[in-house]
Amino acid sequence: GAGVSQSPRYKVAKRGQDVALRCDPISGHVSLFWYQQALGQGPEFLTYFQNEAQLDKSGLPSDRFFAERPEGSVSTLKIQRTQQEDSAVYLCASSPLGPRDEQYFGPGTRLTVT
Amino acid sequence: RKEVEQDPGPFNVPEGATVAFNCTYSNSASQSFFWYRQDCRKEPKLLMSVYSSGNEDGRFTAQLNRASQYISLLIRDSKLSDSATYLCVVLNQAGTALIFGKGTTLSVSS
Repeated sequence: GAGVSQSPRYKVAKRGQDVALRCDPISGHVSLFWYQQALGQGPEFLTYFQNEAQLDKSGLPSDRFFAERPEGSVSTLKIQRTQQEDSAVYLCASSPLGPRDEQYFGPGTRLTVT
Repeated sequence: RKEVEQDPGPFNVPEGATVAFNCTYSNSASQSFFWYRQDCRKEPKLLMSVYSSGNEDGRFTAQLNRASQYISLLIRDSKLSDSATYLCVVLNQAGTALIFGKGTTLSVSS
């Protein structure tokens, strides 16, 4: 079946622009996660949704980052007024039930802020 | 101190070698532990969960020492296809987020 998909795969933004990154989880998966992966580092947790409820947003680095999952399926990560340090790969993952289940990752969106 | 620490390597080994990766975690209340594999410019994929009693999946053996807060991964009879970055992962105390180490890079050569 279809895995997790993300779009766009690549995004170049000028400093100060707003960007929106989309994640389509595996159909029926309850949990959805966003991670940020800088070059040479492991993924870092940003936020977690159970259905449409955002249960943990402790990893969002600033109030410029906002995520939503209004109908409990597709999710969008929005970054306002992008800065160079936002350049990274943004990974979305979903799991059938909760965070203890295997998390299935999408291919990521590579964001470059110039 | 980072929550999950790994030796970044790289580990360069010949085919057929046995290689071991180690990892330490800082939060003694952590409950779930995993090894994920990430190929170059690809997404992470679950390799195996790690249980207190230790567990094996083919050529891969994972061990957990809760007293020392230490996790290991042993790969026997390395294959070229094992070349990847291996990420040590811990579920946070709240049970809401995976905490990843930086990863250990393995390169297997013929």
